[in-house]
Amino acid sequence: GAVVSQHPSWVICKSGTSVKIECRSLDFQATTMFWYRQFPKQSLMLMATSNEGSKATYEQGVEKDKFLINHASLTLSTLTVTSAHPEDSSFYICSGGPGNEQFFGPGTRLTVL
Amino acid sequence: AQKITQTQPGMFVQEKEAVTLDCTYDTSDQSYGLFWYKQPSSGEMIFLIYQGSYDEQNATEGRYSLNFQKARKSANLVISASQLGDSAMYFCAMSRPPHSSYKLIFGSGTRLLVRP
Repeated sequence: GAVVSQHPSWVICKSGTSVKIECRSLDFQATTMFWYRQFPKQSLMLMATSNEGSKATYEQGVEKDKFLINHASLTLSTLTVTSAHPEDSSFYICSGGPGNEQFFGPGTRLTVL
Repeated sequence: AQKITQTQPGMFVQEKEAVTLDCTYDTSDQSYGLFWYKQPSSGEMIFLIYQGSYDEQNATEGRYSLNFQKARKSANLVISASQLGDSAMYFCAMSRPPHSSYKLIFGSGTRLLVRP
């Protein structure tokens, strides 16, 4: 199947700082990628749709100014958590795919102290 | 509104036996896709199987099969000959419109433990 990578795999930061998470499609071109968030012992919740060359589409309740998404190329989407706070601590995971199948990155575990 | 329901928070199965994980969904759309993913403790989401709403035959992928009953709006995952490595969280998901973009909504998941 298609390969999606994420970097970093985990990050710990201080409250108030910004953190950038990269999502790369390694063997396919992705005009669209998706960002999800998963709190402990919960399911994945879609945060936003990342669109190559245009603005991201955010789900209801997700602050677009806090979670900045940039999709500058067909193989890279980035999620920046701005002014992170402890309640932003979560598992962030991206997905993309060349067809019916959606392949997920390995995820990024963010801990905000 | 679309919704995915997984009513089994946890399941046990004996190694080498088959197990069925339940999934029901609610949608008013005629065209949709149904997915199953496996999430081991490492956190990665592993794609298992896909069923399109217009597919007449149940999807199969190796030891995984999807029991698709459209009228009942159910899409149960059947794992045959369970292995210890099958112990993980399993999520059922449905693609949201527009379906070509494959945004997914997920159920709450079922934790499967395979006993030796």
